[in-house]
Amino acid sequence: EVQLVESGGGLVQPGGSLRLSCAASGFSFSTCSLSWVRQAPGTGLEWVSSISSTGEFTYYADSVKGRFTTSRDNSKYTLYLQMSSLRAEDTAVYYCAKCYTSCQKYHFDVWGQGSLVTVSS
Amino acid sequence: IQLTQSPSFLSASVGDRVTITCRASQDISSYLVWYQHKPGKAPRLLIYTASTLQSGVPSRFSGRGSGTEFTLTISSLQPEDYASYYCQQVDIYPFTFGGGTKVEI
Repeated sequence: EVQLVESGGGLVQPGGSLRLSCAASGFSFSTCSLSWVRQAPGTGLEWVSSISSTGEFTYYADSVKGRFTTSRDNSKYTLYLQMSSLRAEDTAVYYCAKCYTSCQKYHFDVWGQGSLVTVSS
Repeated sequence: IQLTQSPSFLSASVGDRVTITCRASQDISSYLVWYQHKPGKAPRLLIYTASTLQSGVPSRFSGRGSGTEFTLTISSLQPEDYASYYCQQVDIYPFTFGGGTKVEI
């Protein structure tokens, strides 16, 4: 079964840092691009970041550029989102998603259940 | 690229035909995806490249369009279809989602 499981969410103070992980199973991890998408309370889905299959290329939303870093460890079948300089507006459920092959021109075919990040003092 | 979804809220009955529209601020060819999202659950892929039904998705769901105007239609609404629906463009980074359409009874 193809599965993505996020972890690492929690409560963090403004200005703090947090790292999310997404453990993958059931597919050839190293051949697929991956993405992060978030949903703030009461709002819709927002694309956050994507990373190519090798990790060579990364892409970010303007709202997180310079503060968030996406990486992956293909040997561990794990995707990461390092978040720093966190703001209240970063409070959201963060989903990892698998892209069909690449993300551009294709689609996000498998999603995790999400991990809640709350930024508050 | 901005995606404008309408309506943002839709009230319908079981058996109704429902259509959601997604308009792009520029030509995105057919690189438009539709997802269904229920509270507390992972989003679910419904349709990709504007009109291709994802495996396992019921045939009552259909998508049409290209360029800047797209539609998602549910031909006969079922109880399990009450959810939020989002369009997404994957033509150009940064990817964007529409604002969502909440389908309620």
